[in-house]
Amino acid sequence: EPEVTQTPSHQVTQMGQEVILRCVPISNHLYFYWYRQILGQKVEFLVSFYNNEISEKSEIFDDQFSVERPDGSNFTLKIRSTKLEDSAMYFCASSEGWDLKETQYFGPGTRLLVL
Amino acid sequence: AQSVTQLDSHVSVSEGTPVLLRCNYSSSYSPSLFWYVQHPNKGLQLLLKYTSAATLVKGINGFEAEFKKSETSFHLTKPSAHMSDAAEYFCVVSDNNNDMRFGAGTRLTVKP
Repeated sequence: EPEVTQTPSHQVTQMGQEVILRCVPISNHLYFYWYRQILGQKVEFLVSFYNNEISEKSEIFDDQFSVERPDGSNFTLKIRSTKLEDSAMYFCASSEGWDLKETQYFGPGTRLLVL
Repeated sequence: AQSVTQLDSHVSVSEGTPVLLRCNYSSSYSPSLFWYVQHPNKGLQLLLKYTSAATLVKGINGFEAEFKKSETSFHLTKPSAHMSDAAEYFCVVSDNNNDMRFGAGTRLTVKP
């Protein structure tokens, strides 16, 4: 069964450093998403992406965040200058379509720790 | 804006006994509702979803959920728990596909 994959599974970085989290969505999917879950808190929507541009973004997704689909398979989340409060589990998801009947398939997550 | 409340942070059952994970939602529109499960070191897997069709929704692994508009609830049930059901379960509400609001999660423990 096709899966969303994410790399790395864990990343430790120093405050102020740039990190890139990578995702490979399911191959025939067209819509891509990033979510995060700070330890002990709810999963929160960050951004959605379609046709090489951001469709929607939450208030969390500020100027330090960016997303990109650099080739036909990868979907990346970049955090330019990490802060301590960026420590969280980051989930990538993808879906075939846009409407409410389309299921979002999630990856296993990348656990980011900012020191 | 929509929101979800999962009423129990932790539920513990014995193997072979019924499972009930409670979820209440708040939404201005006719929402879509989902239950996802997360096993350790795995992604979020869709168990089932309600999108304004039948109010009793059957999902994978013997789980089902009933949409009750009058009670604004979407509780997840299973008649007989299995050890492999031990995981974290998330109730999710969405008014549109961009804005999926997750509950805080319920950790299900299954005792032998």
